[in-house]
Amino acid sequence: DTEVTQTPKHLVMGMTNKKSLKCEQHMGHRAMYWYKQKAKKPPELMFVYSYEKLSINESVPSRFSPECPNSSLLNLHLHALQPEDSALYLCASSQESGWDKPQHFGDGTRLSIL
Amino acid sequence: GENVEQHPSTLSVQEGDSAVIKCTYSDSASNYFPWYKQELGKGPQLIIDIRSNVGEKKDQRIAVTLNKTAKHFSLHITETQPEDSAVYFCAAINQAGTALIFGKGTTLSVSS
Repeated sequence: DTEVTQTPKHLVMGMTNKKSLKCEQHMGHRAMYWYKQKAKKPPELMFVYSYEKLSINESVPSRFSPECPNSSLLNLHLHALQPEDSALYLCASSQESGWDKPQHFGDGTRLSIL
Repeated sequence: GENVEQHPSTLSVQEGDSAVIKCTYSDSASNYFPWYKQELGKGPQLIIDIRSNVGEKKDQRIAVTLNKTAKHFSLHITETQPEDSAVYFCAAINQAGTALIFGKGTTLSVSS
């Protein structure tokens, strides 16, 4: 079982809906990440939070809005998504920020946009 | 920018055989090289990593080797088992230290 928990596991939403993805870790990690993964492709970085502050936004459209309420939680708020946004959304965490720090991934939320 | 090439894209072996996946990177300043295993319906799981001051690292049936001169690193799985079947991703940090660049993945199938 992964130590990074993501909910929901699956989500189907219309283009006008508003929904949120949630990620939780209790390993005391201070860096958290959102990735997007399309089928048969590697993960693509979206956002990085370090000590609850947004440190990297990889030019992600504003219809994706991240939030880090505390050091254990990471949310991704979704609004007015497009069909091409259908993908697996992965959350990861690492003890500290820095790309040489091992990242631990959750099992993702599979998102389908109708 | 950093580029990580991974080969082969698919690999089929018989149970008990060895499997080798190779990645090459372009940035000589890269200093951290993780390998992830992603099973169907799961997220990527870190299985082994190596840093640039080490040439080889082993963990039971899994080993990673790093050749800094040639700028490539390889994953070796010995005595493969059906549960090793998954997609494997290598990764490397870019020179600026601003991103982890993933290879395109290798789908390993182990048949019994």
